[in-house]
Amino acid sequence: GESVGLHLPTLSVQEGDNSIINCAYSNSASDYFIWYKQESGKGPQFIIDIRSNMDKRQGQRVTVLLNKTVKHLSLQIAATQPGDSAVYFCADGSRQGGKLIFGQGTELSVKP
Amino acid sequence: NAGVMQNPRHLVRRRGQEARLRCSPMKGHSHVYWYRQLPEEGLKFMVYLQKENIIDESGMPKERFSAEFPKEGPSILRIQQVVRGDSAAYFCASSPNTGTGLNEQYFGPGTRLTVT
Repeated sequence: GESVGLHLPTLSVQEGDNSIINCAYSNSASDYFIWYKQESGKGPQFIIDIRSNMDKRQGQRVTVLLNKTVKHLSLQIAATQPGDSAVYFCADGSRQGGKLIFGQGTELSVKP
Repeated sequence: NAGVMQNPRHLVRRRGQEARLRCSPMKGHSHVYWYRQLPEEGLKFMVYLQKENIIDESGMPKERFSAEFPKEGPSILRIQQVVRGDSAAYFCASSPNTGTGLNEQYFGPGTRLTVT
């Protein structure tokens, strides 16, 4: 069946380094993706989104890359800070009516 | 502009009792989505509602679960005769009806249901 998955369940980086979190999807018709950050005990927080007519989109310290050929997207966080420690989810927002299909999540730990 | 509000934040119920979870969307948002998150897992879609209408309930269990979004007041997710397997975090998200086709959803803090 359709799925959205992340490559690594955990990622540990040094403060100040760049982080890259990957996500793969299976539905070639998917055309809208969102990255969410979830801190412990809180709800998911919108980070950035991208539509399939774009390969790259940048926000503040974050960049999302979309490779439609291999059905892969990534979230890059520049100069990672301790406050970036959280679980990151990619979600497919392409479905009729807008329901989101979430991946399992990658837990990012930032070492000081 | 207040974000999505959910209450209660924590709810403990004994097996067989009813659980009622409430969600007030962001001001101006007319679309509400409910998701369930089991420990160590991602969020799973349950139901999508607009005012007075259930649009998509494909993720709702067939029995014991129901949802509504009345003309006035919050959206309610109701779980009857709860079982231990219902223990999870339940998140509500709201979205504006912009007609753009995008679906930027804003999430509430969640209700953590524990069934004892």
